[in-house]
Amino acid sequence: ETGVTQSPTHLIKTRGQQVTLRCSSQSGHNTVSWYQQALGQGPQFIFQYYREEENGRGNFPPRFSGLQFPNYSSELNVNALELDDSALYLCASSTPTGGQETQYFGPGTRLLVL
Amino acid sequence: KNEVEQSPQNLTAQEGEFITINCSYSVGISALHWLQQHPGGGIVSLFMLSSGKKKHGRLIATINIQEKHSSLHITASHPRDSAVYICAVDRSGGSNYKLTFGKGTLLTVNP
Repeated sequence: ETGVTQSPTHLIKTRGQQVTLRCSSQSGHNTVSWYQQALGQGPQFIFQYYREEENGRGNFPPRFSGLQFPNYSSELNVNALELDDSALYLCASSTPTGGQETQYFGPGTRLLVL
Repeated sequence: KNEVEQSPQNLTAQEGEFITINCSYSVGISALHWLQQHPGGGIVSLFMLSSGKKKHGRLIATINIQEKHSSLHITASHPRDSAVYICAVDRSGGSNYKLTFGKGTLLTVNP
C-alpha cells in the first residue's frame, strides 16, 4: 500500500469524448506526477504539479490538462479523446526534499477509447 | 535509441535462482529508480539510488555513474517475485521529478 489512490479503476469512452481521472495523494505530498503507460511500454511522463501549479510537462498535447487541489488530490483531464489515448494512467506523489525523492504510485486507471 | 534501455526484455527463472536485470542510460541523471509492477498495473518503488549499492531483503541494486549502468539483483528468487521490473531515471533533480522509464523486464519465476 502506497497511500495513493486513483479512480476510477477502469473506464471506457468513445473517440471525441472528454475524461477526468482522479488521484488522491498521501497527506503532505505536495508534488504529483501523471504518467501514461501504453500496453507493453514503460510509462511516459505527462506533467507534474507542485503546490497546485504545473511544474513540468512531457511531450503531450494541450488537450491533456491537470489540476491539483489543496487537499492533496489531483485530476488529469483529457479532451477530444483519440484511440491512441487508450492506456494505463498512473499518478505518483512525493514530497521534494531538495534533490531526490521516492515517488509513490497509485494503482492506475485503465482507459479504453473505442 | 531510447534514453533508458533494459535487458533482458523477458526472463524466466526457476525458484531459487539468482537473477540480474540490467539498465543502461544515455543521459545525465540525478537519481535512478527501480520499480516493480504487478499485473493490473500497480507500481511499487523498490530503490532510488544515485551512487553505490543498496540492499533490501533479497533485492540488491547497484549503479555505476561513470558507465551509466545499473543492475537489479534478486537472490533466492521466488514465484512471488514474478512481475515487471522497470528502471527509471530522474533527469531533472530539484523539485521537478520527471522520470524517464525503460520498457521494463518481465520476470517469471517458476516453482
